[in-house]
Amino acid sequence: EAGVTQFPSHSVIEKGQTVTLRCDPISGHDNLYWYRRVMGKEIKFLLHFVKESKQDESGMPNNRFLAERTGGTYSTLKVQPAELEDSGVYFCASSLSLTPIYGYTFGSGTRLTVV
Amino acid sequence: DAKTTQPPSMDCAEGRAANLPCNHSTISGNEYVYWYRQIHSQGPQYIIHGLKNNETNEMASLIITEDRKSSTLILPHATLRDTAVYYCIVRVWSGGSNYKLTFGKGTLLTVNP
Repeated sequence: EAGVTQFPSHSVIEKGQTVTLRCDPISGHDNLYWYRRVMGKEIKFLLHFVKESKQDESGMPNNRFLAERTGGTYSTLKVQPAELEDSGVYFCASSLSLTPIYGYTFGSGTRLTVV
Repeated sequence: DAKTTQPPSMDCAEGRAANLPCNHSTISGNEYVYWYRQIHSQGPQYIIHGLKNNETNEMASLIITEDRKSSTLILPHATLRDTAVYYCIVRVWSGGSNYKLTFGKGTLLTVNP
């Protein structure tokens, strides 16, 4: 079974540019989560999808961030325009249920550097 | 937001048991405790979780105190590949049927030969 896949693994962009991160969850997992760790801080929750619906976006930092999950399969997280403080590692996780027996499965993350 | 406190680092000899403590004194009755680890440049890897009872799987054991204010993750026979940052996490309710993991700073466990 393929795990959670994230693209790209690294991205370096200039301040003001747009970047789109992609997450492919485990096939059949209705629940998809985005988390991020910015420099020197803990990993923080961003939002939660159930299929194509946003269930909880309380962790989204501001309106420069837009997450989508059209069709309830893969998800994208767009940052527009990117700022220096957006640099960090963005993780995606997926699960079959809200309290999965084997936990939430995380991808390897996308390391975003804004210069 | 983190509801857990862990020592920043610990050492363990290869082949010995590693006991990682965690305090979560403000945990609510229906909040689960999860343990994840992160090996350099990888994503967090699930280890184990529990609510009230002690739990064991092929990777580790989780001991939760009766008052649920603290827990201990036990790796029974640590190997060099267990060197990682270990996160004790409380899964909090965020409204409706929504939950989120609240990561703290974690414990860097170094397994020495």
